[in-house]
Amino acid sequence: DSGVTQTPKHLITATGQRVTLRCSPRSGDLSVYWYQQSLDQGLQFLIQYYNGEERAKGNILERFSAQQFPDLHSELNLSSLELGDSALYFCASSPRGRDQETQYFGPGTRLLVL
Amino acid sequence: QQQVKQSPQSLIVQKGGISIINCAYENTAFDYFPWYQQFPGKGPALLIAIRPDVSEKKEGRFTISFNKSAKQFSLHIMDSQPGDSATYFCAASFHGSSNTGKLIFGQGTTLQVKP
Repeated sequence: DSGVTQTPKHLITATGQRVTLRCSPRSGDLSVYWYQQSLDQGLQFLIQYYNGEERAKGNILERFSAQQFPDLHSELNLSSLELGDSALYFCASSPRGRDQETQYFGPGTRLLVL
Repeated sequence: QQQVKQSPQSLIVQKGGISIINCAYENTAFDYFPWYQQFPGKGPALLIAIRPDVSEKKEGRFTISFNKSAKQFSLHIMDSQPGDSATYFCAASFHGSSNTGKLIFGQGTTLQVKP
């Protein structure tokens, strides 16, 4: 158990809908990262937040957005969903200080868009 | 320049054998190279990681070999066990001074260890 929690574990929705994925980082970790894992694209970085501020952006679609709240939990919002958005979405967190490169991954949210 | 190329895509090894997975990168600014292990239905779990100032790191049965001039690094699993059967990902990141550290992942290697 990495200490990173994600909800929900599974999500089934229809095209055109909007969903919110939630992540709670390990206690004390300030950085939260979101990744998408699909069969054709592998594991891809989406976005990073550090202590409430957006720090880095990857291949994140404009239909996707994220935020990190004062209690450091983060939410990833996916809107106008398409079939191709079906994937595993992982959140990771990293500690501050000497081991800040180490990212601990949550169990993921499996999204199925029908 | 941001890619990390991983090979082989799949690997079958007998119990007790050595599993070797290779990765290559282009961006010389990368300063952290972790390996992750992922079981079906689970999130990636950090296995071992190396920084470019050392050429080898060993933790138990797992060893990373790092060749800075060739821009390559590899994972060796000694005495491979059926419980090691999983998907392995290499990754690279650059931290600099801005507290970023997005991981660029290889495509993954599915390892099967036969009893």
